[in-house]
Amino acid sequence: QVQLMQSGAEVRKPGASVKVSCKASGYTFTDNYIHWVRQAPGQGHEWMGWINTESGGTNSPQRHRGRVTMTRDKSISTVYIELSGLKSDDTAVYYCARDRTSEGEMDVWGQGTTVTVS
Amino acid sequence: SSELTQPLSVSVSPGQTATITCSGDTLTYGSVYWYQQRPGQSPVLVIFGDSHRPSGIPERFSGLHSGDTATLTISGTQARDEADYFCQTWHSSNGALFGTGTQVTVL
Repeated sequence: QVQLMQSGAEVRKPGASVKVSCKASGYTFTDNYIHWVRQAPGQGHEWMGWINTESGGTNSPQRHRGRVTMTRDKSISTVYIELSGLKSDDTAVYYCARDRTSEGEMDVWGQGTTVTVS
Repeated sequence: SSELTQPLSVSVSPGQTATITCSGDTLTYGSVYWYQQRPGQSPVLVIFGDSHRPSGIPERFSGLHSGDTATLTISGTQARDEADYFCQTWHSSNGALFGTGTQVTVL
């Protein structure tokens, strides 16, 4: 079945960087974009951006550009998000999610990765 | 505005109907998606394209969308439906926008 398996929890100091991975299985990796979404404690969901798994092209909200880098490795069906210059309010659960239609329909989600900045 | 507003909480008795609204100007631009998220779990898509259910989602979940308002209805609510529900839209230039989320409590 279609699965997205994320890397484990991370703890970082302010100013450091963190890289979270998301490995896809059960479908053709390059057929679907992958989104990154985060949820801070007690807060709503925030879109961090998406990556075209075929071309490697990315798009993210203006407020995250320069601090967020999304990449993919087609050979191992894995996407990554790296966040630099970490601040305390980057503490959140980070999810990857597959886009079924390339129009924002997130039909399969990873299990989430907790990133704590402290 | 660039926000999607939902009620903070909705309470419903077992077997009754729960209605969750989502409102915002950006809803006029495209389809609405709804997700269910149980505590400690990842979100699950329950409605796509305003009113369509993915395979495996019970018929008691339905969606409507008109103009700047969308509605998720859970008919014959069950205890297992207790969760957070949030809406989402998509814009080709601005990306995804999520609703503020609604906690559904089955009393």
